[in-house]
Amino acid sequence: SQQGEEDPQALSIQEGENATMNCSYKTSINNLQWYRQNSGRGLVHLILIRSNEREKHSGRLRVTLDTSKKSSSLLITASRAADTASYFCALTSGSRLTFGEGTQLTVNP
Amino acid sequence: KAGVTQTPRYLIKTRGQQVTLSCSPISGHRSVSWYQQTPGQGLQFLFEYFSETQRNKGNFPGRFSGRQFSNSRSEMNVSTLELGDSALYLCASSFSGGPYYEQYFGPGTRLTVT
Repeated sequence: SQQGEEDPQALSIQEGENATMNCSYKTSINNLQWYRQNSGRGLVHLILIRSNEREKHSGRLRVTLDTSKKSSSLLITASRAADTASYFCALTSGSRLTFGEGTQLTVNP
Repeated sequence: KAGVTQTPRYLIKTRGQQVTLSCSPISGHRSVSWYQQTPGQGLQFLFEYFSETQRNKGNFPGRFSGRQFSNSRSEMNVSTLELGDSALYLCASSFSGGPYYEQYFGPGTRLTVT
């Protein structure tokens, strides 16, 4: 399957804690992207990491990619209640962007 | 720059009817992709248009069709609606590369089929 599989499916933490979400996949990829979706709304692009990159940062976000293990992780540091959302990894394999099923993150104030 | 806009935001239709959804991409973006999101199937790719040509298509029946105009605006049409077509339909635009670059999503159109 080209689809990424996120783990965990749901994550509940306290404000200030770090949140780590993982994405595993089975095929070779060109790049991997992470998106956030607030309840029932459009997706917001967070980070794109190319297959020849190992780590990228954007503010409180850190994404790693291990192509040998076919996995990626998204770390959100010092979480805030406003980070509560669903987080999706999306794989580019060939000419299509394929989304995983997402991780529902709840940050409790 | 204005973001991706989708109209209408909410729509209620009856089984058997047809519906047309509209998407205006970010100015300068030539690639528009459409996705269907449902609780059971998640986010599924419908099709991508680039410079008025369908460049890629997902695994959806022929009842789902789309087009793109010369100004990059895109429309998606679903004919003979079924209850299972109830979903959030998301449109995303990208400068040129489709899935190779970050995509910018609109707020979606929530379609309910009764």
